[in-house]
Amino acid sequence: SQTIHQWPATLVQPVGSPLSLECTVEGTSNPNLYWYRQAAGRGLQLLFYSVGIGQISSEVPQNLSASRPQDRQFILSSKKLLLSDSGFYLCAWSPDSASGPQHFGDGTRLSIL
Amino acid sequence: AQSVTQLGSHVSVSEGALVLLRCNYSSSVPPYLFWYVQYPNQGLQLLLKYTSAATLVKGINGFEAEFKKSETSFHLTKPSAHMSDAAEYFCAVRRGSNYKLTFGKGTLLTVNP
Repeated sequence: SQTIHQWPATLVQPVGSPLSLECTVEGTSNPNLYWYRQAAGRGLQLLFYSVGIGQISSEVPQNLSASRPQDRQFILSSKKLLLSDSGFYLCAWSPDSASGPQHFGDGTRLSIL
Repeated sequence: AQSVTQLGSHVSVSEGALVLLRCNYSSSVPPYLFWYVQYPNQGLQLLLKYTSAATLVKGINGFEAEFKKSETSFHLTKPSAHMSDAAEYFCAVRRGSNYKLTFGKGTLLTVNP
């Protein structure tokens, strides 16, 4: 069966520090991969998605970037964090199928001080 | 463009009562629709999905949803609420290429003893 791993679960970082969040998927190949941010009391905002190695699409301009160095690895990064980057970050994968749902990791709670 | 409206950001029911969470969608093509549940500080878990087969879809934990094209609705129901159902629920519709989802803003379900 397929599983998705996301780490760390929680992270406290100072303003201006770099960020690296990692997500890996097991049990499937060539998944579509997604990064979302969920701010308190708000819905989910799609940040990036990827349909293959090295293929990244950005949904909104921001202080973050994403990379996909391997088929089942998706990384969210920042060179200098802002206070507004605080939130709950979720990674998700879906099969390459119109009817296939997205499956989510457990999320990373990021607090910027 | 596809969009989702969840009526009621907060729904409160008594244990054993009917649960009804409303979702209306707009889509220019036959939609794929999903309901997810999120417990505090966790990722989203798929409850059920509609992919143009049966209009009444049964999901996990006793939930079901009915697709009504004439009303552009996909409401989520459960005959008898349990305390463990207290969580936030998100309705989503497939949009565009690469199987992205548009999420509603979520409905927080409270179950009172």
